[in-house]
Amino acid sequence: KQEVTQIPAALSVPEGENLVLNCSFTDSAIYNLQWFRQDPGKGLTSLLLIQSSQREQTSGRLNASLDKSSGRSTLYIAASQPGDSATYLCAVRPSTSGTYKYIFGTGTRLKVLA
Amino acid sequence: EPEVTQTPSHQVTQMGQEVILRCVPISNHLYFYWYRQILGQKVEFLVSFYNNEISEKSEIFDDQFSVERPDGSNFTLKIRSTKLEDSAMYFCASNDHGGGYTFGSGTRLTVV
Repeated sequence: KQEVTQIPAALSVPEGENLVLNCSFTDSAIYNLQWFRQDPGKGLTSLLLIQSSQREQTSGRLNASLDKSSGRSTLYIAASQPGDSATYLCAVRPSTSGTYKYIFGTGTRLKVLA
Repeated sequence: EPEVTQTPSHQVTQMGQEVILRCVPISNHLYFYWYRQILGQKVEFLVSFYNNEISEKSEIFDDQFSVERPDGSNFTLKIRSTKLEDSAMYFCASNDHGGGYTFGSGTRLTVV
């Protein structure tokens, strides 16, 4: 059964720092992996989608990498800003035929201090 | 940018009452989903819907739950007889084949 873990659970950094959020999954048979941002009491905003054949994706100050064989993904945030404060969720879609669901991690709650 | 729209944003209902949560997925998407998130817990899969039928459901999605696409745009989740433990944020999502999800902003359901 696929399980997704995110470390750390919470992180507080001063503005301007570069930081790395970690996601690990127990079954390497995935179709893709998606990183989301969730603001308190709000919905999920897609940040980056990495297909299983890809090693990384970039969008602005965000870079996500995928090492499928070791069951890991990292989200790198450059030059963090207070507006980056949110919970970051990692979700994997298993490559099992006929399934399109995502399995979510518990998230990393990020606070960027001004 | 296309959005998934959910209504209402917040619903309060009495235990035992029926509720219907509504979603308008992105128009050219073919796959639709409901997820829920109990306060402080993980986002959990409930059900996926494709070609006018349920394609997959979780063990949470028991006989109290049902989904429907009553017309070409709406996608609904019905909870027949709500329980206190159904209190959660309910998220609708959609995608096309192989693509990532787009989520709605959620409906906060409070059962009292």
